[in-house]
Amino acid sequence: DSGVTQTPKHLITATGQRVTLRCSPRSGDLSVYWYQQSLDQGLQFLIQYYNGEERAKGNILERFSAQQFPDLHSELNLSSLELGDSALYFCASSVGTQGRLGETQYFGPGTRLLVL
Amino acid sequence: TQLLEQSPQFLSIQEGENLTVYCNSSSVFSSLQWYRQEPGEGPVLLVTVVTGGEVKKLKRLTFQFGDARKDSSLHITAAQPGDTGLYLCAGSNDYKLSFGAGTTVTVRA
Repeated sequence: DSGVTQTPKHLITATGQRVTLRCSPRSGDLSVYWYQQSLDQGLQFLIQYYNGEERAKGNILERFSAQQFPDLHSELNLSSLELGDSALYFCASSVGTQGRLGETQYFGPGTRLLVL
Repeated sequence: TQLLEQSPQFLSIQEGENLTVYCNSSSVFSSLQWYRQEPGEGPVLLVTVVTGGEVKKLKRLTFQFGDARKDSSLHITAAQPGDTGLYLCAGSNDYKLSFGAGTTVTVRA
């Protein structure tokens, strides 16, 4: 158990819909990272928040947005869903930022999203 | 296109055999990490290598960072069924982690 929790574990929805994925980081961790894992793209970094502020952005679509709240939990909002958005979405947390030497990121169990 | 190329994509070996997984890139990384992911779970960090030429050992696992900090390898000695999983390398630059596509390792009893 990494200490990172994600809800829901599974999500089935239809194209065009909007969903919200939730993540609670490990106690004491200030950074939250969101990743998308699909069979054809592998694990792709989406976005990072550090202590409530956006710190780094990866391959995140404009239809996707995220935020980190004062209690440090984070939500990833996916809208106008398409079939290709079906994937595993992971949240990870770390004490600080990625930095030069690479922080240890602790991954949650993921949310499996299926768009029909 | 993956920034980090891992090979082989799949590896199936008998218990007790050795295996090596490679991670290559044309980019230089500040550090490189190896993760193992089991079905239905998130990746778990195995090791971080920082210095070019660095070798780290973790029981039966040996990790090497290339001199130019562009490539890395993971060697498992006397593999066991518990080593089965998806092995991912990840390079750190510009406050981001870039992952390879992974190597699926299956160790048969």
